[in-house]
Amino acid sequence: AQTVTQSQPEMSVQEAETVTLSCTYDTSESDYYLFWYKQPPSRQMILVIRQEAYKQQNATENRFSVNFQKAAKSFSLKISDSQLGDAAMYFCAYWGLYNFNKFYFGSGTKLNVKP
Amino acid sequence: EAQVTQNPRYLITVTGKKLTVTCSQNMNHEYMSWYRQDPGLGLRQIYYSMNVEVTDKGDVPEGYKVSRKEKRNFPLILESPSPNQTSLYFCASSLSRDPNSPLHFGNGTRLTVT
Repeated sequence: AQTVTQSQPEMSVQEAETVTLSCTYDTSESDYYLFWYKQPPSRQMILVIRQEAYKQQNATENRFSVNFQKAAKSFSLKISDSQLGDAAMYFCAYWGLYNFNKFYFGSGTKLNVKP
Repeated sequence: EAQVTQNPRYLITVTGKKLTVTCSQNMNHEYMSWYRQDPGLGLRQIYYSMNVEVTDKGDVPEGYKVSRKEKRNFPLILESPSPNQTSLYFCASSLSRDPNSPLHFGNGTRLTVT
């Protein structure tokens, strides 16, 4: 089975600064998707960004971007110009096209944003 | 508004008392699934359903049941809850076999079993 590892249980960043959250995964598949989900204190799960494995270009959504290293099986999330509203738990997730029934989630990284 | 509706939001019960957590989506999604979220473990899949009357086990199915009699509803049933099922539960749905369709989550159910 695929595994997703987030090695940083908690991180802090100063408002307006940049922070990078790490994620690594293990898979033998060649076609898959990777996601970052945000979970604020409201518990809602919000899709932040998505990356298709076949695309070499890193995905970007406004202040959020990823550094996707397929050979290293690494998928980090960079948040630029951090805002207080970015404080949340962030989950990295994997979805394989050959086993599309399952999403695999990492254990999460709690991000604190300091004013 | 497109959404996944879970109820209840909070639930406290005692060991052995059967309970059902409801989940309903209004997006005509074929795929629905249940997850539990525990500290340090992330979200783990309990059961999923590819369509009406088609369900299968996820990674942690023990102690849970599901049914999919209608496309929009996917209830999670705990026949005899135990304290180790105390957790935060999420229902999610998406268009089946469409990698461009992200998971849509409900707002979660915080279950406490004493």
